[in-house]
Amino acid sequence: GQNIDQPTEMTATEGAIVQINCTYQTSGFNGLFWYQQHAGEAPTFLSYNVLDGLEEKGRFSSFLSRSKGYSYLLLKELQMKDSASYLCAVRDSQTGGFKTIFGAGTRLFVKA
Amino acid sequence: DTEVTQTPKHLVMGMTNKKSLKCEQHMGHRAMYWYKQKAKKPPELMFVYSYEKLSINESVPSRFSPECPNSSLLNLHLHALQPEDSALYLCATTPSRGLDTEAFFGQGTRLTVV
Repeated sequence: GQNIDQPTEMTATEGAIVQINCTYQTSGFNGLFWYQQHAGEAPTFLSYNVLDGLEEKGRFSSFLSRSKGYSYLLLKELQMKDSASYLCAVRDSQTGGFKTIFGAGTRLFVKA
Repeated sequence: DTEVTQTPKHLVMGMTNKKSLKCEQHMGHRAMYWYKQKAKKPPELMFVYSYEKLSINESVPSRFSPECPNSSLLNLHLHALQPEDSALYLCATTPSRGLDTEAFFGQGTRLTVV
């Protein structure tokens, strides 16, 4: 079966660092994505991991361990505008790369 | 142009109405997707088109009918919907089979069925 787990909500302070974890179980694996989604808006791409290790992109970093079925998104120097939902999504390789399964998302609240 | 444009932004329709959602992209992407998203839930895949052909239908009820008239356009025809079909409908695109690329999402159509 396919399952993606993330915490439902997190709260952090402006200027701090926050780590959002994601664990997954899929029948096939062909990459893991993180998206940011503000309420009522479309998801926007943040990062992509297909090999184990850390990918860094400015204030955002994402880590993947395929053997553990685990990823995290690290947000540094938090800003108020980072308050949003963060979706972990896994691409299922069994359908030729087409099918992306989304986790339920983690709602992040950044407070002053 | 890296935009995916969806129209209308908001739609209210009765259960006996027929309406259509439209999605347009000019990035040359050949895979296009419809997702449905309820409040505080993740996007759920409905349909996938690849090179204008329907590749995946995730057992979606027939009251939703997709159409891909050309490589830039994707439509979703709606007929006899139920109130529980009220949701945000998102269109997304990837260059082709998209093995190594992210999806580009449109802003969505907020649908309310009354």
